[in-house]
Amino acid sequence: QQPVQSPQAVILREGEDAVINCSSSKALYSVHWYRQKHGEAPVFLMILLKGGEQKGHDKISASFNEKKQQSSLYLTASQLSYSGTYFCGTLYSGAGSYQLTFGKGTKLSVIP
Amino acid sequence: DAGVIQSPRHEVTEMGQEVTLRCKPISGHDYLFWYRQTMMRGLELLIYFNNNVPIDDSGMPEDRFSAKMPNASFSTLKIQPSEPRDSAVYFCASTQGYGYTFGSGTRLTVV
Repeated sequence: QQPVQSPQAVILREGEDAVINCSSSKALYSVHWYRQKHGEAPVFLMILLKGGEQKGHDKISASFNEKKQQSSLYLTASQLSYSGTYFCGTLYSGAGSYQLTFGKGTKLSVIP
Repeated sequence: DAGVIQSPRHEVTEMGQEVTLRCKPISGHDYLFWYRQTMMRGLELLIYFNNNVPIDDSGMPEDRFSAKMPNASFSTLKIQPSEPRDSAVYFCASTQGYGYTFGSGTRLTVV
């Protein structure tokens, strides 16, 4: 089952904050976050393992709530370079594999 | 490292023709994945390999699709015969157990 991302799209002005959510109906082992700019390949941002950890990457951070089977990506003080489509990729507990299932993405547009 | 290298970047072919997509993973990465991306379905996993061995090909849509990994530095995805609905961007990705590194993708158009 594909994880569900919300919102599908968001428009921000430079300096504003945004939150992107990723939810799963299955028990998660880990969550990956990627950003894809138009016409380019997805680029790895960070991975969160079960245990409820939170991670940061510049002004982009994420949390993983194992009980709720969801992860959130936080973008603070957004910059023009943050524009792109953000994907979460989920690895399910007990899958015995390393294949990620990706959500459909959240398109983020940052305008001046 | 040059990253994951895919070829060709663009491919336009006629329906019924054979198409071969190529991928060179990052040296030392023991997992290799083939994904297909479309607007409607997003990123779909087609097949993945671990140490050159195919582990899960349940995402391969039909028998028209086949993939091989003859050695640790090369993989191919073949479509024979191709159909217009195969038009998509095909990505190869590799990892050694952390984040994936994606190649630049092959944009396939079947007319």
